[in-house]
Formats: sequence, C-alpha cells, structure tokens
Amino acid sequence: GENVEQHPSTLSVQEGDSAVIKCTYSDSASNYFPWYKQELGKRPQLIIDIRSNVGEKKDQRIAVTLNKTAKHFSLHITETQPEDSAVYFCAARASGNTPLVFGKGTRLSVIA
Amino acid sequence: DTAVSQTPKYLVTQMGNDKSIKCEQNLGHDTMYWYKQDSKKFLKIMFSYNNKELIINETVPNRFSPKSPDKAHLNLHINSLELGDSAVYFCASSQGGRYTGELFFGEGSRLTVL
Repeated sequence: GENVEQHPSTLSVQEGDSAVIKCTYSDSASNYFPWYKQELGKRPQLIIDIRSNVGEKKDQRIAVTLNKTAKHFSLHITETQPEDSAVYFCAARASGNTPLVFGKGTRLSVIA
Repeated sequence: DTAVSQTPKYLVTQMGNDKSIKCEQNLGHDTMYWYKQDSKKFLKIMFSYNNKELIINETVPNRFSPKSPDKAHLNLHINSLELGDSAVYFCASSQGGRYTGELFFGEGSRLTVL
C-alpha cells in the first residue's frame, strides 16, 4: 500500500520567514495530494490540495508543488505569521479503493 | 450547524470495559471514516464505509467494530479496552465516491484508558 514520509517533524521559523515541508510517497499511481492543518486541540482541516495533472498550486501565502517523477510534493508558506503555528499533515491517495494515507506531521512554530 | 459531529468529546474508562463513540454527518456525503491519532499525532485510518461496504485496515484489532445504522452515521464500538487504545479518535466524511474529495473531520473524541 501507499506509504507517505514527511520531513521535518518539527520546524521553527521567525515571523515573516518562509517555511517548507516536504513529503514523499511510494505509490506511483497516487493522484491526489492534500495538506491539512491541525491547530492545538482542534480537528485537521484542509488548507490546499493538488492533483497529479498539476505541478504547482497557490493560494495566497501557501503553495504546493508536485514532482511526479521523483514522487515528492512540498508545502511552502511565505511571510509566516504566529497563527500559522500548527501541525501540518501531507497525505496521498493511490488510485483504486484506498483511503488517504497521512504523513506523520510537522509541528511548525512561528516565533514572533 | 456542525458538519461532522462526534460524541462524547472526552471518555475516561477502565481497562476491560466496552465503549462506543458516535458520529453523524449532515453533509450528505457518501463515505465515512474513522481515524486514530496517537500521542505522537500520527493519523492512521481504521475504517472506511461507503454504501454499506466496509473497508477495514488490517492492522486494526477485531475488538474495534464500526456500525452504520444509515448513511449519515458511523459509530465506533470498542470491546475489552486496553491501555494502548488511549488516543484521539476522529470521524470524517467525504463526497464524490469512494475516497475522492476533501475529508471533513469531526472534533475528535479523546479516549483515556486507565
């Protein structure tokens, strides 16, 4: 089945700097790659996603890139703010009858 | 108007007991799920349920059993609770056929087994 590796496990940045989180996946048939943000004590919520027919997608300060050949995708957050502090999860879904498989999460701390 | 709701939010119980967590979604979604989040925040799929078809993660002990009275509900029943079952359990749902589309999560149910 699909296996998703996520790095780093923790990340601290100064407010205003950029943050990058990277994920790799194992199943070349995977075609959907969402990113979820989980604030302390709350539920995970989708912040951005990308499908395998697209190489990059942006939404204001966040962007996701996908390299299908290398089987990796990344989340980029620019001009970080304290409210960006949370745990971020990448995920991948292989085609067929399999659910989303999540990476182990990255705890991002934005220091004011 | 909570989209995916779970009860109870907190559950503290003794080893060996049996407990249930209820989940309801009012989004009209086709598929519902249960995920387990352990102390290290790892989100792991336990079950998915679509049109009465249940897909079970093979690593889930058979002490865990999902029950779906209808399309909008997927409850989780756990028998003979063990210390290692302590975690936050998230219910989720999605639309667009099996495994497609955004996952909407409930608020989570924190289970503590003493």
